[in-house]
Amino acid sequence: GAVVSQHPSRVICKSGTSVKIECRSLDFQATTMFWYRQFPKQSLMLMATSNEGSKATYEQGVEKDKFLINHASLTLSTLTVTSAHPEDSSFYICSASQTGGSEAFFGQGTRLTVV
Amino acid sequence: AQSVTQPDIHITVSEGASLELRCNYSYGATPYLFWYVQSPGQGLQLLLKYFSGDTLVQGIKGFEAEFKRSQSSFNLRKPSVHWSDAAEYFCAVALTSGGYNKLIFGAGTRLAVHP
Repeated sequence: GAVVSQHPSRVICKSGTSVKIECRSLDFQATTMFWYRQFPKQSLMLMATSNEGSKATYEQGVEKDKFLINHASLTLSTLTVTSAHPEDSSFYICSASQTGGSEAFFGQGTRLTVV
Repeated sequence: AQSVTQPDIHITVSEGASLELRCNYSYGATPYLFWYVQSPGQGLQLLLKYFSGDTLVQGIKGFEAEFKRSQSSFNLRKPSVHWSDAAEYFCAVALTSGGYNKLIFGAGTRLAVHP
């Protein structure tokens, strides 16, 4: 099956700094990737849809200036959490699908802790 | 608005017992439905999906699910649970307006398995 890789798997950063999370489709091209956030013992909430070569589409309530998304190639999307605060601590997961495909493949997730 | 409800937050079964996890959805059109499993600190693995056709869907690891339009349900079943099945299970519906892969997740059901 298709593989999606997320990096890093864990990151700890100081409050006020920025953190970049990468999502790569290793063996297929993904025109669309999705970023989700998961709080402890809760479900996944869609944050934004990342489209290759264009601006991301953010869900209601998600600050686009805080969560910067770049999808510069068909195999890579990045999520940058800017000026991170402790309340941004969460589990972030990306998914990607092949062009015209019907299944989303998920990355392993990134555990972000802001101290 | 589209939504997914998993009524059971936590379920405990004995190893070897049968299992049924409930999922109800609210969606105006024909839904595309998924069941995912998540181990602690990990990404999501697709168990099975329903797009059309036979309403009884077979998945990996011995899981199956039945789509019942009249009940707006897509319950997940397994005849005999193994200790390794302990995990979090998420039901999801795809929004066709956003493509197959923009998923709305239920709150999840945490499965514990007693030896």
